[in-house]
Amino acid sequence: QSALTQPASVSGSPGQSITISCTGTSSDVGGYNYVSWYQQHPGKAPKLMIYDVSNRPSGVSNRFSGSKSGNTASLTISGLQAEDEADYYCSSYTSSSTDWVFGGGTKLTVL
Amino acid sequence: EVQLVESGGGLVQPGRSLRLSCTASGFTFGDYAMSWFRQAPGKGLEWVGFIRSKAYGGTTEYAASVKGRFTISRDDSKSIAYLQMNSLKTEDTAVYYCTRDGGSGSYYFDYWGQGTLVTVSS
Repeated sequence: QSALTQPASVSGSPGQSITISCTGTSSDVGGYNYVSWYQQHPGKAPKLMIYDVSNRPSGVSNRFSGSKSGNTASLTISGLQAEDEADYYCSSYTSSSTDWVFGGGTKLTVL
Repeated sequence: EVQLVESGGGLVQPGRSLRLSCTASGFTFGDYAMSWFRQAPGKGLEWVGFIRSKAYGGTTEYAASVKGRFTISRDDSKSIAYLQMNSLKTEDTAVYYCTRDGGSGSYYFDYWGQGTLVTVSS
């Protein structure tokens, strides 16, 4: 049981937009603007896509955007491309005994 | 180019110890906190712990699941971070990743190594 709740899977067609949600509590997602999102292709290391809720690292496509409302953060990918097919994990700093918590991951399928 | 390369993984019996290394290049290692994560086969990511830079005391924090068994250290002269794992359990089986923290005061991890597999089994 992951601390943050993500949908197990989402799908979309090329060119469409999709949104992945990440629900936590006031002790993590809702309490801090320290939500980050990671993309992981099979057999590869995770890659930072969004940090501090809505900031994109240099080199990450502007098709990726992040937001937060209350205890739920969201990752939106617009103009879906085949290479976006991957697992996506949200993470948040937390005031609990474990400093960082993750969602269980969402498998994005590009149809 | 920032690179992180983990090594030291392998097959180990329950109750034994293993030390992982993370060799860094492409940045001033001593200026950054370093973290370790793990991912059990077919599962999600789990934060293991981190070590602050010397400027922030070089202190460590650990997840409850490994506290008292795992120790993170660093050798800034060699640009290496270590994860000493003692009293290993079968549930410690995972790919272990080292990461660079995003910088002073950051709460994200901007570079990840390729990972090293640790299998705990008799």
